[in-house]
Amino acid sequence: GNSVTQMEGPVTLSEEAFLTINCTYTATGYPSLFWYVQYPGEGLQLLLKATKADDKGSNKGFEATYRKETTSFHLEKGSVQVSDSAVYFCALAIRGSQGNLIFGKGTKLSVKP
Amino acid sequence: EAGVVQSPRYKIIEKKQPVAFWCNPISGHNTLYWYLQNLGQGPELLIRYENEEAVDDSQLPKDRFSAERLKGVDSTLKIQPAELGDSAVYLCASSLGGTSGNNEQFFGPGTRLTVL
Repeated sequence: GNSVTQMEGPVTLSEEAFLTINCTYTATGYPSLFWYVQYPGEGLQLLLKATKADDKGSNKGFEATYRKETTSFHLEKGSVQVSDSAVYFCALAIRGSQGNLIFGKGTKLSVKP
Repeated sequence: EAGVVQSPRYKIIEKKQPVAFWCNPISGHNTLYWYLQNLGQGPELLIRYENEEAVDDSQLPKDRFSAERLKGVDSTLKIQPAELGDSAVYLCASSLGGTSGNNEQFFGPGTRLTVL
């Protein structure tokens, strides 16, 4: 079946530290990959996406590269800020499944000043 | 432009009582989704509508859950009767529609249900 596995949190970093949140997937088809972010008290927001192998999604200093050979889509940011504190969800959607998203369990990030 | 609106934001009920959640998607979005998010988990799809038609309700527990989107705009999700295990956040999302696997979904803030 289709599934997403992401590293468990919580992750606690100091401001300006480097961030990596690992995400791997299993898919029967050829998926599009996404990172969503959920700030405290708010709804899920799309952070970035990639639709084919070797694509790099980027937004707000975050990046993730679609690696078909390792079935991975790791999220990275070179220098985190306190305002990046949130829960991050990796997700996939299979073409032909009408866009149904399959989410990982989420990783909570806390950035300390 | 207004985002996806959900109400209520919080609901506390006793078990065996009915409860309903309302969602108004972004104007012009044909596809509407209801997700269930348990504590510490990612959202899981309950039902997807294309306009007024429920095109994927395979994960909806039909013995107690029901949903409708009568005019293809706003939608209501109902639980009757509620059980303790239904305590969770219920998320609504909408998208423009289409068959592409990368059709961006926009999420509402969710309704947090507590069943006592």
